[in-house]
Amino acid sequence: GENVEQHPSTLSVQEGDSAVIKCTYSDSASNYFPWYKQELGKRPQLIIDIRSNVGEKKDQRIAVTLNKTAKHFSLHITETQPEDSAVYFCAAPPQGGKLIFGQGTELSVKP
Amino acid sequence: NAGVMQNPRHLVRRRGQEARLRCSPMKGHSHVYWYRQLPEEGLKFMVYLQKENIIDESGMPKERFSAEFPKEGPSILRIQQVVRGDSAAYFCASSYTGGAQGEQYFGPGTRLTVT
Repeated sequence: GENVEQHPSTLSVQEGDSAVIKCTYSDSASNYFPWYKQELGKRPQLIIDIRSNVGEKKDQRIAVTLNKTAKHFSLHITETQPEDSAVYFCAAPPQGGKLIFGQGTELSVKP
Repeated sequence: NAGVMQNPRHLVRRRGQEARLRCSPMKGHSHVYWYRQLPEEGLKFMVYLQKENIIDESGMPKERFSAEFPKEGPSILRIQQVVRGDSAAYFCASSYTGGAQGEQYFGPGTRLTVT
């Protein structure tokens, strides 16, 4: 069935370092891959997404890469700041629209 | 342009009562999705609706849960005879385009506590 695996579950970095979160998916029909950031007690916020016709997309300090052959995609955050601390979720929708989320990565950026 | 609205933000119910959660999508969006987030866990899909139609309810528990999105008014997620295990944050999201390519934007959630 549809499954999205996300690693690591927790990640602690020093301010200014880079952070990388990886996800793998099982449904070959998936062709849209969003990433969400959720701060404690808040709503999931769409921060970046990528479609299957590109291999990489960048938005300031955030980038996402996609390898459709291997069925994995990654979130890269450079020059991390304390306000980047949050839980990050990847997602992949099989055909039909529902999002299947990864288990989440709790990122902690230490000043 | 108002984002996705949900109310109430917090809801306390005793076991056996009914809970009604409301979601108004972003202006111009006609696709609504409901997700549940248990404490310390990720987001689980429940149901996908378009105006007056349920498109996918594969994530809905078979009993006590129902959802609707009428022609006029918000989408409603209804939980009958609530139990302690229903305590969770319920988020709705909306999108302009349906299917597997539509960007989904989330509301602030309703935090249901069953006592």
